[in-house]
Amino acid sequence: AQKITQTQPGMFVQEKEAVTLDCTYDTSDQSYGLFWYKQPSSGEMIFLIYQGSYDEQNATEGRYSLNFQKARKSANLVISASQLGDSAMYFCAMREYGGSQGNLIFGKGTKLSVKP
Amino acid sequence: DTEVTQTPKHLVMGMTNKKSLKCEQHMGHRAMYWYKQKAKKPPELMFVYSYEKLSINESVPSRFSPECPNSSLLNLHLHALQPEDSALYLCASSQLGTVNSPLHFGNGTRLTVT
Repeated sequence: AQKITQTQPGMFVQEKEAVTLDCTYDTSDQSYGLFWYKQPSSGEMIFLIYQGSYDEQNATEGRYSLNFQKARKSANLVISASQLGDSAMYFCAMREYGGSQGNLIFGKGTKLSVKP
Repeated sequence: DTEVTQTPKHLVMGMTNKKSLKCEQHMGHRAMYWYKQKAKKPPELMFVYSYEKLSINESVPSRFSPECPNSSLLNLHLHALQPEDSALYLCASSQLGTVNSPLHFGNGTRLTVT
């Protein structure tokens, strides 16, 4: 079974609108971390935001926020006021406390296209 | 500016060549990683170094040989590669022992094997 599931292979959003990218996860660990990365076509993986399993507040970083619903095992990324530069692949990832040397488990990604 | 530096950015090599990819970080991280990423796919873990020692090898063919000379440097030596090894190779580093430390990635090396 997949540990990280991103069900939207591609998404379109109008510039200046908000968009939600979905991510669900599966783990039996009590302690884990959830991460979102952005990968533009140039290739670099850019860390966006982190949510810990014990964090009670949803994480926010500028225009990025993470809608964390622990009981549903979901960690959706919300991008507010989309910009053309937000067009990229977005990966949800998880790090389990009992995982192998802190490796990240990645979802398959969502390609976001922002329309002018 | 990325805090993890990878060189070269692009590499084209023949199947009989020997080349090396280099990665450097100065964040004091004690875990370093090599990932391989094919187009439109997520990164796949190849190797993990913890405290300069190889701790994970994800059944990577021996034509890929990692090396960690010190806590800041990570190399990937390439020999007798196949065309299917063409991919983006990403290096990353992170703190150890905590789930809340993100992996910091370099910009990657785009490798083409002819």
